[in-house]
Amino acid sequence: AQRVTQPEKLLSVFKGAPVELKCNYSYSGSPELFWYVQYSRQRLQLLLRHISRESIKGFTADLNKGETSFHLKKPFAQEEDSAMYYCALRGTGNQFYFGTGTSLTVIP
Amino acid sequence: GAVVSQHPSRVICKSGTSVKIECRSLDFQATTMFWYRQFPKQSLMLMATSNEGSKATYEQGVEKDKFLINHASLTLSTLTVTSAHPEDSSFYICSARHDPNTGELFFGEGSRLTVL
Repeated sequence: AQRVTQPEKLLSVFKGAPVELKCNYSYSGSPELFWYVQYSRQRLQLLLRHISRESIKGFTADLNKGETSFHLKKPFAQEEDSAMYYCALRGTGNQFYFGTGTSLTVIP
Repeated sequence: GAVVSQHPSRVICKSGTSVKIECRSLDFQATTMFWYRQFPKQSLMLMATSNEGSKATYEQGVEKDKFLINHASLTLSTLTVTSAHPEDSSFYICSARHDPNTGELFFGEGSRLTVL
C-alpha cells in the first residue's frame, strides 16, 4: 500500500539558514511525487513535482528511489517560507496521498 | 491558474441532519475531483474520487452511504454528509486536476463542518 511519511510535524530555522523537510514514501510502482504548500489563510497549492526537476522559490527536491525519499531543501530560508508543507504521492489510480505535513517556521 | 471553489466555507448543523458541500471548477472542466478530510493538525485524508457521470470510488474505511458524492457535471461535484453526527465535524477539502499530464491538483478553500 502507498504511504507518505513526514517525520517532522514542526520545524524551526533561522532566516538565512538551510532547511530540509523530510519525506519518505512507500509505493510498489514507479512513484510520482509532489510537494504542496499552504501559507497562512490560503489554500493548498503546488510547490514542485519531481518530474519537472525544477526549483521553485529556491526550493528543490530530489527523488531518491534507493532511500525512497523526496526531501525538500532550500539553502537559505526566508521568512516568507513559513508555511505548512505536504509531501504527496500520486497513485496508479490518479489519487493523491498526502503526508501528515510539516509546519515550517522561519525565525527572523 | 485553474480555480476550484467550495461552498459553503462554514456550516453548522444539528445532529441527525444532512449537509451538502459543493465543489466547482470555475474555469476548467474536471472529469475527476477528489474529496479530502482534514482533522485538526493532521494530514489530508483522501475520502473518495468523484468521477463525472459514474459512481465515486471510495477509499477503504469511508462509508459511501454516509458520505454521498455526486458528480453530475464536468464542473460540479457535491459531497453530502448524511445523518451528521458530532464526529463528522471536520474540514472537508475538494480538489481537481486541470491537466492530467501535469498531475497538478488545484484545491478548493475548504469547508468547515460543525455538527452540534
